[in-house]
Amino acid sequence: SQQGEEDPQALSIQEGENATMNCSYKTSINNLQWYRQNSGRGLVHLILIRSNEREKHSGRLRVTLDTSKKSSSLLITASRAADTASYFCAATQLLSGTYKYIFGTGTRLKVLA
Amino acid sequence: AAGVIQSPRHLIKEKRETATLKCYPIPRHDTVYWYQQGPGQDPQFLISFYEKMQSDKGSIPDRFSAQQFSDYHSELNMSSLELGDSALYFCASSSDRGLGYTFGSGTRLTVV
Repeated sequence: SQQGEEDPQALSIQEGENATMNCSYKTSINNLQWYRQNSGRGLVHLILIRSNEREKHSGRLRVTLDTSKKSSSLLITASRAADTASYFCAATQLLSGTYKYIFGTGTRLKVLA
Repeated sequence: AAGVIQSPRHLIKEKRETATLKCYPIPRHDTVYWYQQGPGQDPQFLISFYEKMQSDKGSIPDRFSAQQFSDYHSELNMSSLELGDSALYFCASSSDRGLGYTFGSGTRLTVV
């Protein structure tokens, strides 16, 4: 079963506003990645944050990781209509010598022009 | 820069037919992962290979099999297709077994 959980599952905001999506996981991780997916299209890698990092920035994206709370957040600032997509977090876990890559359920973001 | 290549991009098959999906990882990537994403669903891990050996197995049906070849490309073979197999199938590759995953654009399989 998927261990990553994201909230909210759906988010609708106005262009120019900030969008915050959260992701929680249940076991220890090596790193966590955020992906974007336009409807029916491929997964586009946005940002990776390692377990020993607390915050990372990439353009309008800001990702935080709180390993004590087993959670991560993705902030998109000054959102644009083109940001409309589904956003997934995926946690990499090392279990029994094998890397497992667990996706969350995704947040469907809609940015209204 | 080279990316993960998947073929075909789209595939339409009838029930009970067989389908083969191909994945060509980024050069020098030794690990390949397969995921299935149903409509409106999150990606589900199917199976992975490291250095041509199966390294992990997820929710892959017994009707499906996969392998990684000497040139590191991988094929997912799906037999006795069912309507519920209709999904996007993603392949990802990495070079260090956990970091730097790169996904292909996916193969959209439609079973009619």
